[in-house]
Order: sequence, then C-alpha cells, then structure tokens
Amino acid sequence: GIQVEQSPPDLILQEGANSTLRCNFSDSVNNLQWFHQNPWGQLINLFYIPSGTKQNGRLSATTVATERYSLLYISSSQTTDSGVYFCASHAVGAGSYQLTFGKGTKLSVIP
Amino acid sequence: EPEVTQTPSHQVTQMGQEVILRCVPISNHLYFYWYRQILGQKVEFLVSFYNNEISEKSEIFDDQFSVERPDGSNFTLKIRSTKLEDSAMYFCASRRLAGETGELFFGEGSRLTVL
Repeated sequence: GIQVEQSPPDLILQEGANSTLRCNFSDSVNNLQWFHQNPWGQLINLFYIPSGTKQNGRLSATTVATERYSLLYISSSQTTDSGVYFCASHAVGAGSYQLTFGKGTKLSVIP
Repeated sequence: EPEVTQTPSHQVTQMGQEVILRCVPISNHLYFYWYRQILGQKVEFLVSFYNNEISEKSEIFDDQFSVERPDGSNFTLKIRSTKLEDSAMYFCASRRLAGETGELFFGEGSRLTVL
C-alpha cells in the first residue's frame, strides 16, 4: 500500500497566525481527503481534493497529484482549529478503495 | 446536509462480551466501511462492504469481527468476544460512487472501552 507522511507532526500557533500542513505520498494517489479530528475524537471532513485547489472560509487545500503531495492552509487561526489534522488517500490503480491515513499533524492554537 | 450517523457514541464493556456498533450510512451511498483508531494512533481500515458482501478486509479484521447490513439502512460491526486491545474509536464511512473516485463520508465515531 501507499505510504502517507504528514508534516509537521506537531505545531503550536498563536491565535491569528497562518500555517501550512503538508502531506506527501509514496505513489500516485486518488480520492485525497483532509480531515480535522476535534478534541472529542470526531472526524470532520474538510476537503475532498484529488487535484487542484479548494477554499472553504479560512481553510484552503491544494493537491499536486503529479508531484505526490497536498497542502492544507489555515489562515487567521482560532483556538477552535486545535486538534489533529489527517490526510488520507489511496493509490491509483491499486484496486483497493480503502483510504490510507497519515499519522496526523497535531495543532494547538493558543490565545 | 446528509450525514453518517453512529450509535452508541460511547460504550463500555467487559472483556469477552459481544459488542455491536451501529451505523446509518447516507441513503444513496453504495459502499460502506469501518475504520478503527486506537488512542493516539492513526486511523486504520478494517473492512469495506458493497452489494451485501465484504469487498475487502484488513489483517485486523479477524474472525472476531463481522459486518452486516440487516436492512436497507443500518450497517453494523459486531465484535464477538472483546479483548482489551479492541478499545478504540470505531468510525463508519460511506461512499456513493463506484470505481476509484468519490469522497468518503465519516460518522462521528463510536468509542469502545473494554475493561
């Protein structure tokens, strides 16, 4: 299966700061998704972004499938952005439709 | 907006007991999944289900686990005889499209604690 590496593993931000989270893949991927896991453990869908760029409020994501990476931008961070951010995908042509998750980036936004 | 719903949100059970976790996928979705996340670790695939049968399962999904779609709406995960290491958050997910495309929608999870 594919390997999914996320960086940084931990990130501490002052409220109002911007940040970029990165996801690298070992192979060409499809169905790239970003999730936010809140402190209660719930997984929140952020983006479905196999390629290109999408924006949703203060968040935006870009996937460059040919170069095997995706980025999640958080602007003007708020304390409610705290939690763990996961990216997940599966390899193109693998015949397997299960998502492989990265280990996540733990974000702490402090007031 | 349609969503995947899971019950219970939290269950505490004794080792050796049977547990059933329930999920209601989004109504027009075709593929159903269970994932698991042990505390502090990444989310791992357990099983996928399509057309009333398992389409793929991971090494984690051994004989103690089973899935069922007993009616047109529910999708269940049964753990026959729970072990301490089954303590985890279990996520149900569903997807509408066939083939290698389509967003996976996750439920909010069921936290299982085995004592």
